[in-house]
Amino acid sequence: EVQLVESGGGLVRPGGSLRLSCGASGFPFNRYTMNWVRQAPGKGLEWVSSISLSSSYIHYADSVRGRFIISRDNAKNSLYLQILSLRVEDTAVYYCARDLGSDDYDTWAHEYWGQGTLVTVSP
Amino acid sequence: QSALTQPPSASGSPGQSVTISCTGSGSDIGNYNYVSWYQQRPGTAPRLMIYQVTKRPSGVPGRFSGSKSGNTAYLTVSGLLAEDEADYYCSSYAGSIRPHEIFGGGTKLTVL
Repeated sequence: EVQLVESGGGLVRPGGSLRLSCGASGFPFNRYTMNWVRQAPGKGLEWVSSISLSSSYIHYADSVRGRFIISRDNAKNSLYLQILSLRVEDTAVYYCARDLGSDDYDTWAHEYWGQGTLVTVSP
Repeated sequence: QSALTQPPSASGSPGQSVTISCTGSGSDIGNYNYVSWYQQRPGTAPRLMIYQVTKRPSGVPGRFSGSKSGNTAYLTVSGLLAEDEADYYCSSYAGSIRPHEIFGGGTKLTVL
């Protein structure tokens, strides 16, 4: 069974930083592109970032480029999101999501999702 | 990176069909066949319903179908069931110089 479990969320002051983690199990982690998608309270989904199998290709939404850093450790079956210079508007549930296609077969479709971790940025 | 445009709400009676639209531009939906649709019930993570415009992942009922015309994608739910009541989001790859993905604002589907 595919499982994605996010952790690392919490309450942070504006300007602070946070590191989110996503532990994966039930599939060959090193064969799938992984993503972070966020959802502000009561709002829609927003794609944040993606990272390819061997971290060769990394992409960011304009809204987070320069402040967020995505990474992965295939030996630990883990995905990370380092969030710097947090803003109030970064408040959201952050989901880890696995792509549907494997081995660089890009579909830009997210078949499996974790339950999310809440990041709250407040003075 | 502007969001795709979806109607905020849609509704239908049990057994009826309903279609939700998702309008983008020639830089996303109009130029790529990487349109996906997600269902999200309150308090839960999104669920992939349609990918690459028309394909259904394993386990998704055949009542759900996708299509595209020009810069607009469509999700059709046939034979509505009460359990279909949820928020639905479209997304599209928007490539070129900086590959990225954009979502629609979401449509609340109500089964009357």
